[in-house]
Amino acid sequence: GNSVTQMEGPVTLSEEAFLTINCTYTATGYPSLFWYVQYPGEGLQLLLKATKADDKGSNKGFEATYRKETTSFHLEKGSVQVSDSAVYFCALYNNAGNMLTFGGGTRLMVKP
Amino acid sequence: DTAVSQTPKYLVTQMGNDKSIKCEQNLGHDTMYWYKQDSKKFLKIMFSYNNKELIINETVPNRFSPKSPDKAHLNLHINSLELGDSAVYFCASSLSGSGNTIYFGEGSWLTVV
Repeated sequence: GNSVTQMEGPVTLSEEAFLTINCTYTATGYPSLFWYVQYPGEGLQLLLKATKADDKGSNKGFEATYRKETTSFHLEKGSVQVSDSAVYFCALYNNAGNMLTFGGGTRLMVKP
Repeated sequence: DTAVSQTPKYLVTQMGNDKSIKCEQNLGHDTMYWYKQDSKKFLKIMFSYNNKELIINETVPNRFSPKSPDKAHLNLHINSLELGDSAVYFCASSLSGSGNTIYFGEGSWLTVV
């Protein structure tokens, strides 16, 4: 079956620090990969996605590269801001499942 | 314009009651979903409909009954609410097929007391 594993949080960083949130997956076929973000008290927003191997998704300074050889989709940002504090979810979608399968979420806290 | 809208946003109710959460999308999508987020933020699929037909029904108590009157609507009715049903319920929609983005509503915070 499909599964997504991401690093447990919380991750606490100072402003302008470098961020990496690890995500690995198990899936049949060739899934599409996503990062969603949930700000406090809000719903889920798509942050970025990649639909095939070696694709790089990027948005708002965040990046993630679809690595088929390591089945990974790690999220990175070069300089985090306080406003990036949120819960980040890695997810995959493939036609075999017809749904998004989420990782457990990683809470990021950025301190000024 | 809200793409995926769900109501109510907050709902506090007593055990044993029956309640419904409504969801509508104006994106022209053919697939809609209900996800449950528990207190630890873990997200799990409950149901998925494609063109009004149920295609995913995960291990969910039969007290939960989805209804899709048309492609743009997917409502969730819950009978005999229990304390453990307290969670955030997210509606979502997409075009069918891998690679298409799934858009989420803002969530419905259900508290059973």
